[in-house]
Amino acid sequence: DAGVIQSPRHEVTEMGQEVTLRCKPISGHNSLFWYRQTMMRGLELLIYFNNNVPIDDSGMPEDRFSAKMPNASFSTLKIQPSEPRDSAVYFCASADGVGANVLTFGAGSRLTVL
Amino acid sequence: AQRVTQPEKLLSVFKGAPVELKCNYSYSGSPELFWYVQYSRQRLQLLLRHISRESIKGFTADLNKGETSFHLKKPFAQEEDSAMYYCALSTGTYKYIFGTGTRLKVLA
Repeated sequence: DAGVIQSPRHEVTEMGQEVTLRCKPISGHNSLFWYRQTMMRGLELLIYFNNNVPIDDSGMPEDRFSAKMPNASFSTLKIQPSEPRDSAVYFCASADGVGANVLTFGAGSRLTVL
Repeated sequence: AQRVTQPEKLLSVFKGAPVELKCNYSYSGSPELFWYVQYSRQRLQLLLRHISRESIKGFTADLNKGETSFHLKKPFAQEEDSAMYYCALSTGTYKYIFGTGTRLKVLA
């Protein structure tokens, strides 16, 4: 298995533009997480899906952020419109179940909003 | 409230010196605790978990429920240990609470 696959690895965009980040979890994993990593706040959970259903989106900062998981092998995180303060590394992670099960992270998408 | 605290943003040690990365947690139940590591230009990956009670790359971590700590230790640091280290707590649900991370620099 190639692990959790994220794209793009790097995105530079201008304020106001739409950004779409993509994630392919490990096959068979039924839990998917989107995290945001910044120097100031570390890793923050944005949204959690279980069996493709959003369970907790309380970490999504604003209505500008949305996430979908149309099937077990694909998820997107969209920011529209983007702002400079959205600049961060966005990680997708998947797990087989939850609790003591280990999170497997993707390589991350580094977003820079000018 | 559930919280993981890593008091040091940066820890610099010389090669061969002992290392201790501090992690304290706040949780009223029985936590599952993890250490994740992110080497330069690599993805975040599991280093060790407390239920395994194993040593990985020379690192160990013991859960101290009295002090609510899960410090990461290594007796002799190596340059390849330089990385970002995150302590994480799982409450048994989907909630993994991460600390803000400690950057370890091992100096030659």
